[in-house]
Amino acid sequence: EVQLVESGGGLVQPGRSLRLSCEASGFTFDDYAVHWVRQTPGKGLEWVSGISWNSASLDYAEPVKGRFTISRDNAKNSLYLQMNNLRAEDTALYYCAKDTHYGLGSYFDGWGQGTLVTVSS
Amino acid sequence: DIQITQSPSTLSASVGDRVTITCRASQSISSWLAWYQQRPGKAPRVLIYKASNLENGVPSRFIGSGSGTEFTLTISGLQPDDFATYFCLHYNSYVYTFGQGTKLDIK
Repeated sequence: EVQLVESGGGLVQPGRSLRLSCEASGFTFDDYAVHWVRQTPGKGLEWVSGISWNSASLDYAEPVKGRFTISRDNAKNSLYLQMNNLRAEDTALYYCAKDTHYGLGSYFDGWGQGTLVTVSS
Repeated sequence: DIQITQSPSTLSASVGDRVTITCRASQSISSWLAWYQQRPGKAPRVLIYKASNLENGVPSRFIGSGSGTEFTLTISGLQPDDFATYFCLHYNSYVYTFGQGTKLDIK
């Protein structure tokens, strides 16, 4: 069974940084692309970033380009999201999600429970 | 950018009912659409992929249909566990767009 466990969320001031982590188990992590998706009560679900199995392909949603960096460590079965220059509008529940393909562009067949990021002074 | 409009935002029904949720795309997306169920405090669960394909382990009362710009998720014979939030996802070549979600509650 696919298991994804996010961590690293918390309360942070605007302009500061935060690093999210996602530990994967129950599947061969380095066979699949993985993503970050965020959810807010007002805007719903929004894809944030994705990374292919070998880190060769990365992509970001426009609102986070230049501020967020996605990475993975296949030896540790882990996905990361470095979030810099955080803004109030980045406040959300952040999910880690597993792609059904090794590259980007397919649907997600596994999700974590999410980690909450709150950006506020 | 492709926009996905999901309706209704809320839906009230009873156990045993049949309900339909719709997602409309602002332009043709072929069949690149998935449907998810999310219970409160739980991770989303995929039900349908590529518009009409049932994910392994999902009951056959969940039926996806459509192509191009209009897609529907029909749930027949509602069970108590089905009262949850449902959302669609358009996916294709680095594009991921979610519908706004439909909360299905008990009438």
